[in-house]
Amino acid sequence: DTEVTQTPKHLVMGMTNKKSLKCEQHMGHRAMYWYKQKAKKPPELMFVYSYEKLSINESVPSRFSPECPNSSLLNLHLHALQPEDSALYLCASSQLVGSNQPQHFGDGTRLSIL
Amino acid sequence: KNQVEQSPQSLIILEGKNCTLQCNYTVSPFSNLRWYKQDTGRGPVSLTIMTFSENTKSNGRYTATLDADTKQSSLHITASQLSDSASYICVVSALRNNNDMRFGAGTRLTVKP
Repeated sequence: DTEVTQTPKHLVMGMTNKKSLKCEQHMGHRAMYWYKQKAKKPPELMFVYSYEKLSINESVPSRFSPECPNSSLLNLHLHALQPEDSALYLCASSQLVGSNQPQHFGDGTRLSIL
Repeated sequence: KNQVEQSPQSLIILEGKNCTLQCNYTVSPFSNLRWYKQDTGRGPVSLTIMTFSENTKSNGRYTATLDADTKQSSLHITASQLSDSASYICVVSALRNNNDMRFGAGTRLTVKP
């Protein structure tokens, strides 16, 4: 079992739906991340939160809306997604934001857009 | 051009054999290099992390090497097991930003009985 828990594991939604992905960690980490991973490709960074504040947004379309309600939780709100948004969405956490901080990944949410 | 290149793209070996995966990078200034293992349908799991001053780091049957002068790293897997079948991703971090991590495309390893 990973120390970063993501729900749901799988999600199928239409282009007009609104849904949310959830991520939780109880390691006391103050940095949390969202990645998008297409098949046979490495993860691509989307967002970074540091101390519950958004610190990096890698030019992600506004149909993806992150939220960090507290230090243990990270959400990704989805609205009006496109078929090309189908991917594995990975959440990660680290003690602090910093390139020498190891990141712990969840097992991801497999998202399919119809 | 990707700043982290991995080779081979895929590799098939027999159980019990050794193998070596390569990672070349141009990321500068260098901060650290990590190897991750990603099983199908799972998140990446960190195997090793090395900074500039470290040449070798082991984690069980996994041994990573780093040559910061030539900007090359390798991951050597000894006595492979079926459970080693996975993608192995090299990630190089730069000192520039708080989170400037560059991912390689990964090597897909298949261990056959």
